[in-house]
Amino acid sequence: QKEVEQDPGPLSVPEGAIVSLNCTYSNSAFQYFMWYRQYSRKGPELLMYTYSSGNKEDGRFTAQVDKSSKYISLFIRDSQPSDSATYLCAMSATGNQFYFGTGTSLTVIP
Amino acid sequence: EAGVAQSPRYKIIEKRQSVAFWCNPISGHATLYWYQQILGQGPKLLIQFQNNGVVDDSQLPKDRFSAERLKGVDSTLKIQPAKLEDSAVYLCASSSTSGTQYFGPGTRLTVL
Repeated sequence: QKEVEQDPGPLSVPEGAIVSLNCTYSNSAFQYFMWYRQYSRKGPELLMYTYSSGNKEDGRFTAQVDKSSKYISLFIRDSQPSDSATYLCAMSATGNQFYFGTGTSLTVIP
Repeated sequence: EAGVAQSPRYKIIEKRQSVAFWCNPISGHATLYWYQQILGQGPKLLIQFQNNGVVDDSQLPKDRFSAERLKGVDSTLKIQPAKLEDSAVYLCASSSTSGTQYFGPGTRLTVL
């Protein structure tokens, strides 16, 4: 079983839609959770960083962590064509070594 | 603030050849990471440095891959000899004490 599971998609939504991206994990020691956005031929760019459980909001982005279910989510409100990218989740037990999901490819159609 | 710099951006070699990648982290970042990202997959950690010491190299194929971080700043990752399955993007990242990792643009390696 992989440490982190993420549906690769692809996911295609109309502009303005709410997007939900998810990851599940198996290691109950994970307590640091990140979401990265990666445009084609670019390095990953940090979007959200959450410690332990709960919600964190930043503009149109909301990250949720449910440690009891070993499940994390990233919500994008009012999605824009510029949000079209691959979204990677990453998590760690110590805040050092992070395990990445395979990424979900998102396309927002104007 | 300058980001993580990597070079070259692209490299094409034949199998059994050698190749080296260079990374310059964000100034002041003590921790440096090398990741391998195969097409359609998430980044896989190859090696992590804290200053010039190795913290984790458990997933580094040591028979052909080597890395060093002299003086605790720049780092080089070398593959010798390269195999077809080494075709991937090699990402360098750095972090400060906060743990947040900042990635460079990557080096896209194609092994023919």
